[in-house]
Amino acid sequence: DVKVTQSSRYLVKRTGEKVFLECVQDMDHENMFWYRQDPGLGLRLIYFSYDVKMKEKGDIPEGYSVSREKKERFSLILESASTNQTSMYLCASWGQNNYGYTFGSGTRLTVV
Amino acid sequence: TQLLEQSPQFLSIQEGENLTVYCNSSSVFSSLQWYRQEPGEGPVLLVTVVTGGEVKKLKRLTFQFGDARKDSSLHITAAQPGDTGLYLCALGGNEKLTFGTGTRLTIIP
Repeated sequence: DVKVTQSSRYLVKRTGEKVFLECVQDMDHENMFWYRQDPGLGLRLIYFSYDVKMKEKGDIPEGYSVSREKKERFSLILESASTNQTSMYLCASWGQNNYGYTFGSGTRLTVV
Repeated sequence: TQLLEQSPQFLSIQEGENLTVYCNSSSVFSSLQWYRQEPGEGPVLLVTVVTGGEVKKLKRLTFQFGDARKDSSLHITAAQPGDTGLYLCALGGNEKLTFGTGTRLTIIP
């Protein structure tokens, strides 16, 4: 069964901390994505990557960075966490032969 | 930026009833996907529609793509509690998808 695995289901971090959210896929997909999901706002794209060491800004990249050193792993980094980054974070991947995204189960991050 | 509106935002119905939810875009799109998200989980792809007027069926779920390729609907027949969830439509190409805000469906046993 193909999978996108996010390292943590729940995280609580303090304001100002550097936060790493990890995502791994086992489908050899080229494309990977990070979204955040907030009530009333839907899913908003933060960053995406077409290939190893490549990254593109999405609609709301401010306050975030990403890393893709290996094809299967795409990390989202909050350089200095703030309370307005409290959200559900969803990682997804998409391969050339797919017709849709495969999502991970999400990481619910609370910044206090 | 394409706007993608879903309606209704919330829907609560009794088990066994039928329902339809809608997805409308401000512009023509090449393909559209429907996802279902259960509480505490990521969205799961239900279907992709690519041709204007296309109808796809997935058991009790019927998906329709408008002739003008600006709208889509999802009809559920004889709803069951297992249909409860957030239904999201999404449009775009192979890379970036734009998601609607979703319809939160609750089926009451």
